[in-house]
Amino acid sequence: EADIYQTPRYLVIGTGKKITLECSQTMGHDKMYWYQQDPGMELHLIHYSYGVNSTEKGDLSSESTVSRIRTEHFPLTLESARPSHTSQYLCASSWTRGRETQYFGPGTRLLVL
Amino acid sequence: DQQVKQNSPSLSVQEGRISILNCDYTNSMFDYFLWYKKYPAEGPTFLISISSIKDKNEDGRFTVFLNKSAKHLSLHIVPSQPGDSAVYFCAASGNAGGTSYGKLTFGQGTILTVHP
Repeated sequence: EADIYQTPRYLVIGTGKKITLECSQTMGHDKMYWYQQDPGMELHLIHYSYGVNSTEKGDLSSESTVSRIRTEHFPLTLESARPSHTSQYLCASSWTRGRETQYFGPGTRLLVL
Repeated sequence: DQQVKQNSPSLSVQEGRISILNCDYTNSMFDYFLWYKKYPAEGPTFLISISSIKDKNEDGRFTVFLNKSAKHLSLHIVPSQPGDSAVYFCAASGNAGGTSYGKLTFGQGTILTVHP
């Protein structure tokens, strides 16, 4: 069973607000990921990190930013939320070695009005 | 360019019968494949995986088959239960080296409904 947590689970916010979505894992995984998913669509990788102080942009362009100051923590920030940012945001983590499975958190559903 | 495709948006089966979910891929660099199950408003839960050196992997009621020549994999659930009703995603990973290592590419998902 994976121990990966995301807060908040649901967030309704007005346009222009700054938001931070939290993601923490207690498994000591070095790799962490952020995905974005719209209803009925595939998951798109927007950010990933292979370790502390390592962050890379994913396949889908995103206006969000991430940081990895601690192994267990991988927050995602939107400086100025817009309605186009409305989506579900999923955080995942995995080990580096081999073909390790990614384990997902429960997700954050974001609605920007 | 959709590198992983699940062409059936939905599947409906009777409880106790077999559910077969299909997935096709185009990138020959993919060598590791996973199936995830997802309920609405929750994160995906890992079900089963298969490496390209195998053609079958079984875990309880779940079996994944891989046909490399056809670039096709399928998930069999036997017997199907109402609690299996969810969205099922296949995902693929490839060792293309460098920063692509370990990244997953997902299909669009198939909604499975198991009727009592």
